Amino acid sequence: DVKVTQSSRYLVKRTGEKVFLECVQDMDHENMFWYRQDPGLGLRLIYFSYDVKMKEKGDIPEGYSVSREKKERFSLILESASTNQTSMYLCASRSTGTRGWVNSNQPQHFGDGTRLSIL
Amino acid sequence: AQKVTQAQTEISVVEKEDVTLDCVYETRDTTYYLFWYKQPPSGELVFLIRRNSFDEQNEISGRYSWNFQKSTSSFNFTITASQVVDSAVYFCALSEANYGQNFVFGPGTRLSVLP
Repeated sequence: DVKVTQSSRYLVKRTGEKVFLECVQDMDHENMFWYRQDPGLGLRLIYFSYDVKMKEKGDIPEGYSVSREKKERFSLILESASTNQTSMYLCASRSTGTRGWVNSNQPQHFGDGTRLSIL
Repeated sequence: AQKVTQAQTEISVVEKEDVTLDCVYETRDTTYYLFWYKQPPSGELVFLIRRNSFDEQNEISGRYSWNFQKSTSSFNFTITASQVVDSAVYFCALSEANYGQNFVFGPGTRLSVLP
């Protein structure tokens, strides 16, 4: 089974702090994703990465950055945390499948989520 | 453009009732894949099923069944004899073959099964 592990289930930080959320997957997946989930807004894509050191902006990248130095690890960084970044953060990974970069038949596999509170 | 609609925001049923969760999609592609996920109160999204666009055969897995109809662009999910453990948020999602990086989620349906 695919295992996606997020470093914390619950995290409390203060406004202005630099916050790191870590995600590790054990299935050698090429693609990794960060979402945030808020009531009434569903899942919104922040950033994704399709290879080591590669990153692409999602729908709501403002206020966030990411790092992917190793294939199995994808970090989300809140440069200067603000209260409007209080949310549930979900990491996912996805295989490329058999057609190179076209991985449309592969599901995303999710971690348990991190509930982040910014005070 | 691709889009997934789950018109039911919240559904409540009593245990042992059958319940159907609706999913309607829009796509620009002829080959695509549809997915259902379950998110229990603990928070993790659990992958339930994948269906590709050229296979309209319905699928049954225990109390779960899925009805895919290309003519109406729908991929509905039915839980038979619902149980309290089925209480969760359920997401439908779409991935297109020619836009492989895109993975579009619907807004989710919160299902509450009451004892």
